[in-house]
Amino acid sequence: AQSVTQPDIHITVSEGASLELRCNYSYGATPYLFWYVQSPGQGLQLLLKYFSGDTLVQGIKGFEAEFKRSQSSFNLRKPSVHWSDAAEYFCAVVPYSSASKIIFGSGTRLSIRP
Amino acid sequence: GAVVSQHPSRVICKSGTSVKIECRSLDFQATTMFWYRQFPKQSLMLMATSNEGSKATYEQGVEKDKFLINHASLTLSTLTVTSAHPEDSSFYICSARNRMGRNTEAFFGQGTRLTVV
Repeated sequence: AQSVTQPDIHITVSEGASLELRCNYSYGATPYLFWYVQSPGQGLQLLLKYFSGDTLVQGIKGFEAEFKRSQSSFNLRKPSVHWSDAAEYFCAVVPYSSASKIIFGSGTRLSIRP
Repeated sequence: GAVVSQHPSRVICKSGTSVKIECRSLDFQATTMFWYRQFPKQSLMLMATSNEGSKATYEQGVEKDKFLINHASLTLSTLTVTSAHPEDSSFYICSARNRMGRNTEAFFGQGTRLTVV
C-alpha cells in the first residue's frame, strides 16, 4: 500500500545535540517530499521541500533533509537543536499520481532535554 | 510566504447545532483549498479538496452531507459542520495553493479547535 511512514512517535534529545527524524515512503515513483513543523494548537509551517535535483535540501531554522532514492527515505536533520525546536514534525508527500493532495505521515513529537 | 487565515481559532458549540469555519487566502488567489482533520496526538487526515466554483471532492469515509464545503471565491473556502456531535470535536486545518500542480507549496491556516458539548 502507498504510504508515508514516520517510525518514531516520540524522540527526546538534549539541547545542543544533533537530531535526525526518519521518514520513509512507499510509492512507485518518487513523490514530492516535504517536512512540516507544528507547535501545539497551531497550524503547520513548511521547513523544507524536495522536488528534484540536489538530494540534500536546506530548510529554515537550520534544518536539512536528504533524499535517498535507494532507501525511499527523506530524513530530517539538525546539527544542534534548541529548546524552541520542541514541536511535532510531519513528513508529507504529494504522490506522483496525485495532482495536488498532500499525504501526511503520523508525525514525530520532539522533546528537548535541558 | 503566503498567508492563509482561518477563523475562528476556537469554537464551542452545543450538540445538534452547525458551525462554520472560514479559510481565507490573504495575499494570493487559491485555486485549490484542502480541509484536514486532526485528532489529538495524531496526524492530519485529508477530508476534502475544494476547487473554486465547483463541488468539493471528499475522501473516502467523509460524509459530504455532514461536512459542507463551499469555495465560492478564489480567496475563501468554508467548512460547515452540520448537526455537530461530540465525536466531531477535533482540530480542523485548511490549506491553500495558488495554482495547480504537484510542485506548488501549500500554505496552512492556524487551525480551528472545535469542541461540541
